[in-house]
Amino acid sequence: RKEVEQDPGPFNVPEGATVAFNCTYSNSASQSFFWYRQDCRKEPKLLMSVYSSGNEDGRFTAQLNRASQYISLLIRDSKLSDSATYLCVVGVNDMRFGAGTRLTVKP
Amino acid sequence: DVKVTQSSRYLVKRTGEKVFLECVQDMDHENMFWYRQDPGLGLRLIYFSYDVKMKEKGDIPEGYSVSREKKERFSLILESASTNQTSMYLCASSLGTGLAGELFFGEGSRLTVL
Repeated sequence: RKEVEQDPGPFNVPEGATVAFNCTYSNSASQSFFWYRQDCRKEPKLLMSVYSSGNEDGRFTAQLNRASQYISLLIRDSKLSDSATYLCVVGVNDMRFGAGTRLTVKP
Repeated sequence: DVKVTQSSRYLVKRTGEKVFLECVQDMDHENMFWYRQDPGLGLRLIYFSYDVKMKEKGDIPEGYSVSREKKERFSLILESASTNQTSMYLCASSLGTGLAGELFFGEGSRLTVL
């Protein structure tokens, strides 16, 4: 079993849609939780840190459920510019990625 | 701004060659990482280091070694390159753990082994 499992996608949604991504992780000692965004042929860039109490940044909401060992990312009112691959990252000193979920937002 | 610099953006090597991929960060980060990224497989952790001269295996260390002689530099070595090591290699660094575990990436090194 992989240490970090992520929704395989792809997700194809119309503009304005709400879309949710989930990742489960196996190491209960994990301390670091992030969502990254990766555009085609670019390196991953931080989208959001995930706080224990959950956090929101504009149209993006991240949540952590330690009991069930998963993190989630909700994107509201999707824009064309949200089209990218979304990656969850979980770890302690080691940092492991989910396989990534490709999102395409269509007009 | 944190800057992570990878020495080569594109490399073409022949099977059996020794390959060095260099990574330098300028923010005094404790942790450094090497990943490879392949279509459909995401980023897979090869090795990481949480201190000078310290190294830990990730999920796919076979065929690779690393060196961290100075805090700012983390090198990935392919002792004898093989075609299945053709991939995008990404180096990253982070300050610590928890929220300080945010990863900062270099632009990547695309290696082709013929």
